[in-house]
Amino acid sequence: DADVTQTPRNRITKTGKRIMLECSQTKGHDRMYWYRQDPGLGLQLIYYSFDVKDINKGEISDGYSVSRQAQAKFSLSLESAIPNQTALYFCATSDYPGGDSEAFFGQGTRLTVV
Amino acid sequence: AQSVTQLDSQVPVFEEAPVELRCNYSSSVSVYLFWYVQYPNQGLQLLLKYLSGSTLVKGINGFEAEFNKSQTSFHLRKPSVHISDTAEYFCAVRPLRQAGTALIFGKGTTLSVSS
Repeated sequence: DADVTQTPRNRITKTGKRIMLECSQTKGHDRMYWYRQDPGLGLQLIYYSFDVKDINKGEISDGYSVSRQAQAKFSLSLESAIPNQTALYFCATSDYPGGDSEAFFGQGTRLTVV
Repeated sequence: AQSVTQLDSQVPVFEEAPVELRCNYSSSVSVYLFWYVQYPNQGLQLLLKYLSGSTLVKGINGFEAEFNKSQTSFHLRKPSVHISDTAEYFCAVRPLRQAGTALIFGKGTTLSVSS
């Protein structure tokens, strides 16, 4: 089983709908992250969480919200989806302490908003 | 603030040729440096990382990278590529002493290896 699991892997939704992307991890890491990948733009940070009570906005948080339900679970919500939120979304985790720790990524969720 | 520039968006090469993927970074503080690879329809996996010590870092699948502090670069190299190396490659940084801070990524370089 994967250490970082994202569900669903693919989703098509309509404009204006609320959608939730889920991430769970078995690595026991405190830090969890949501990134968005668009062709030619690399990965942009949406939100990150240092622990259950610590949620922080990333560089492109507008239109998104998150929930850290437990150490192992971090969900990303689009309250009212719009077509330019069509992208590949990645969840990642990293260990604490140590800025040298690498990030471990899920397989991604491909979201299409029509 | 930190930023990462990957100087080539696409790099086409023939099989068994050498390749270099270029990465420059900007930061007012010292950073850790990473290279990740993304194969088609997969997530990102770590190729190698530079934390300290020797400036030449060896990673998986025959890749290596050299940290050059004066030029703020961390270029990725492989002496002989295979078709299976076709993927997107991302350079990333994280500031020292900011434990848990999110990685900052470049925009990626697509490596296409043909026979």
